[in-house]
This record gives sequence, structure tokens and C-alpha cells, in this order.
Amino acid sequence: QQQVKQSPQSLIVQKGGISIINCAYENTAFDYFPWYQQFPGKGPALLIAIRPDVSEKKEGRFTISFNKSAKQFSLHIMDSQPGDSATYFCAASKGGNQFYFGTGTSLTVIP
Amino acid sequence: SAVISQKPSRDICQRGTSLTIQCQVDSQVTMMFWYRQQPGQSLTLIATANQGSEATYESGFVIDKFPISRPNLTFSTLTVSNMSPEDSSIYLCSVAQGQGNQPQHFGDGTRLSIL
Repeated sequence: QQQVKQSPQSLIVQKGGISIINCAYENTAFDYFPWYQQFPGKGPALLIAIRPDVSEKKEGRFTISFNKSAKQFSLHIMDSQPGDSATYFCAASKGGNQFYFGTGTSLTVIP
Repeated sequence: SAVISQKPSRDICQRGTSLTIQCQVDSQVTMMFWYRQQPGQSLTLIATANQGSEATYESGFVIDKFPISRPNLTFSTLTVSNMSPEDSSIYLCSVAQGQGNQPQHFGDGTRLSIL
């Protein structure tokens, strides 16, 4: 059973546009929600993470929005650039070290 | 964050053979993990590598198939034993400082193909 559901599977955005990737979870014990960016041939790199005591966290062009009541969180990439083209994974953890990863979103930003 | 090196970066192996993957970190870390990522798919945790004791395996993964060593705080190995084509995958090492909801940082993985 997939602990974290991620959508869409793929996303095409024009340069300068906003990319939005959504994740949903069921286990209310999850208390740490990181996002990872993965380029072909590379390992996933931590992009940004949030804990459920805040509803939003912003780092540069990347923002996580967190809705605890809906058990959903999303990644927003503002002013998307071709260099942002990668696969993005959301994840969730519940007080330990086991991360449950979403199925990934392949983002393509076209010039 | 820590620099994580995995060796080999890729390999092509014959079925029935075994391959040992190494993960070296440039600083001492509390936690080390091994993941599998099948092409175009998500990451699945194989096990947590415990220093000085047996690894903790996730459901569906067993020590006989994936023996793991962690002799110190900077090094771990994962062996994929008696390989079959279904073991073709990317194997990733990750590390974390501290326990409990700490960011995990990944190596670039080992791309393994079984003929």
C-alpha cells in the first residue's frame, strides 16, 4: 500500500510559470515531510522540508504548502526554469528514520 | 552536508553471481540506509545499516539476499546475492545525522544490470 500518493506523474510547464506537485498521506503520525529533486544519473537531493506545525515554508523559488486537516502537502516552484527539469519526490516520516516516498513527478520546463 | 561516494557506479553482472556495493562518507554519520530504485520508479528502503550489529531489514528484504555490513561510522556495504534479472535496479546509500526525522542525503547510486 502506497503510504504517500503523489500527482501528477508528469508535468510540462513553460519557462517562468509555476510548477505545482501534490502529495497526500493517510497516516496522521507522519511529522516530517521532505521534498527531493533527482536529475538523471544522480541520487535524490534534499530540496526543502516541512514539519506539520507550520502551513508554509519558502526557500527561494521553492515553497511547500501544508494542509494538516486535509493531509496534503504540495511543492510550488515559482518562475520555473529549464534547469528545474528533473524528477521530484515527496516523502513522509513518522518520528523515525523510515522515509515513505511518493511515486515521483517528472517535470519538464520548456523554454 | 556529507559527501557520499558509492562504488561501483554501475555494473553488468551474470545471473547467479553476487556483487558488493560500497558506500563511503567523508564524515562520521549516525545513520546509514540502503534503498532500491527501479527505473522510473520510487525509492524503497531495503534496510538500516547499524554500526557494530546486524542491519534492520524492511518487509520483503532478507539478510541472505542482501547482507549488509557497517564496520564503522563512515562506511557500509550492501551485497546483492545470487542475482537474477529482477534485481536489476539502482541501489542507493543514504545517510543522516542523528535519529528521528533528520534529513537524509543520498549518494549517486549504483546502476546494476543482470543478464
